[in-house]
Amino acid sequence: GQQVMQIPQYQHVQEGEDFTTYCNSSTTLSNIQWYKQRPGGHPVFLIQLVKSGEVKKQKRLTFQFGEAKKNSSLHITATQTTDVGTYFCPWYQAGTALIFGKGTTLSVSS
Amino acid sequence: EAGVTQFPSHSVIEKGQTVTLRCDPISGHDNLYWYRRVMGKEIKFLLHFVKESKQDESGMPNNRFLAERTGGTYSTLKVQPAELEDSGVYFCASSQGHTQYFGPGTRLTVL
Repeated sequence: GQQVMQIPQYQHVQEGEDFTTYCNSSTTLSNIQWYKQRPGGHPVFLIQLVKSGEVKKQKRLTFQFGEAKKNSSLHITATQTTDVGTYFCPWYQAGTALIFGKGTTLSVSS
Repeated sequence: EAGVTQFPSHSVIEKGQTVTLRCDPISGHDNLYWYRRVMGKEIKFLLHFVKESKQDESGMPNNRFLAERTGGTYSTLKVQPAELEDSGVYFCASSQGHTQYFGPGTRLTVL
């Protein structure tokens, strides 16, 4: 079945440094979504990418979808302590269930 | 617009007891999902309703779990009898398209 691997699993940065997480699929994705979960919180939808090569920005966050639609990345510029949490790129299985991997857990020290 | 709400936020019960979790989706969302995250594990899909019908319940762990969505509005998830391994956070999500919006979750502790 479809597998999406996300790296790194953990990342610690100093406040102000940049951060990037990557999702790589074994098969072509119709779309990819990104969620953020703060410690003790729930997954919060960030964005959906649909088109090959798509790039979207939300303030300091830049999301990319690969040309082959098999990989995606989330880049945060100049991290802040509010960026702490786990970032997920879940994928759909059988059209209904979102499959969550381990995500990338980001910690930021000030 | 109100988001997905869940009740209770926390529940502590003893093994063998029954617990019912409730989820109120975003108004107008036909799709309602239940997920669970047990300690140290990934978020796992339990089931999916479209209106009042179960579209996919392949993630339900066993017959101690019963989900309902009478009238196609709110949903309940009952665990009877609860076991220790049922402890975790139960999330509900709703959607009207591809994007699923999650509720704050119910943290269930079975002692």
